[in-house]
Amino acid sequence: AQSVTQLGSHVSVSEGALVLLRCNYSSSVPPYLFWYVQYPNQGLQLLLKYTSAATLVKGINGFEAEFKKSETSFHLTKPSAHMSDAAEYFCAVSEKSTGGFKTIFGAGTRLFVKA
Amino acid sequence: DTGVSQDPRHKITKRGQNVTFRCDPISEHNRLYWYRQTLGQGPEFLTYFQNEAQLEKSRLLSDRFSAERPKGSFSTLEIQRTEQGDSAMYLCASSSEGYYGYTFGSGTRLTVV
Repeated sequence: AQSVTQLGSHVSVSEGALVLLRCNYSSSVPPYLFWYVQYPNQGLQLLLKYTSAATLVKGINGFEAEFKKSETSFHLTKPSAHMSDAAEYFCAVSEKSTGGFKTIFGAGTRLFVKA
Repeated sequence: DTGVSQDPRHKITKRGQNVTFRCDPISEHNRLYWYRQTLGQGPEFLTYFQNEAQLEKSRLLSDRFSAERPKGSFSTLEIQRTEQGDSAMYLCASSSEGYYGYTFGSGTRLTVV
């Protein structure tokens, strides 16, 4: 069964600094991996996805993530943080389930951006 | 396309009452998912439909919970005899076949008092 571990429930960075949010996954088959962002009182929005193509995936709002099979990791990065990036970020993994794909989410990492 | 719609946005109910939530997915999406999210946690899978068929249901979902998707369009999630532990955000998401990212609605926040 698949699982996701997000290292650090809270991450704080200064505006303009590098953002690094860590995610490790467990999956018995080649996984599909995702990062979602959630703003207060909103649903989740897909940032980017890895589906066995290029290992470096670019997403919206300047975010990217690299799939490293040997490390079972899918860390999210952004070179320069903006105040509007403050939100909750969820890493997720999908595996084939009955009739389709089921997605399991990590516990989330809240990103704080200091002025 | 207006995305995934959920109604109501907020629901306050007394313990023991029944509640029903509605989700309208993106019209061309044949897959629909329900998740529950509590404070400080990631979304937790509840159940999944492909068209009108409910293909999977979490073992965490008690018999008080039931979901339907008649005609493969909108879906409803009903909770009978609500308990305080049911207080959470209930999220609906949809996707099309062959695309493995979800489009989420804004959720229904349930408070059981």
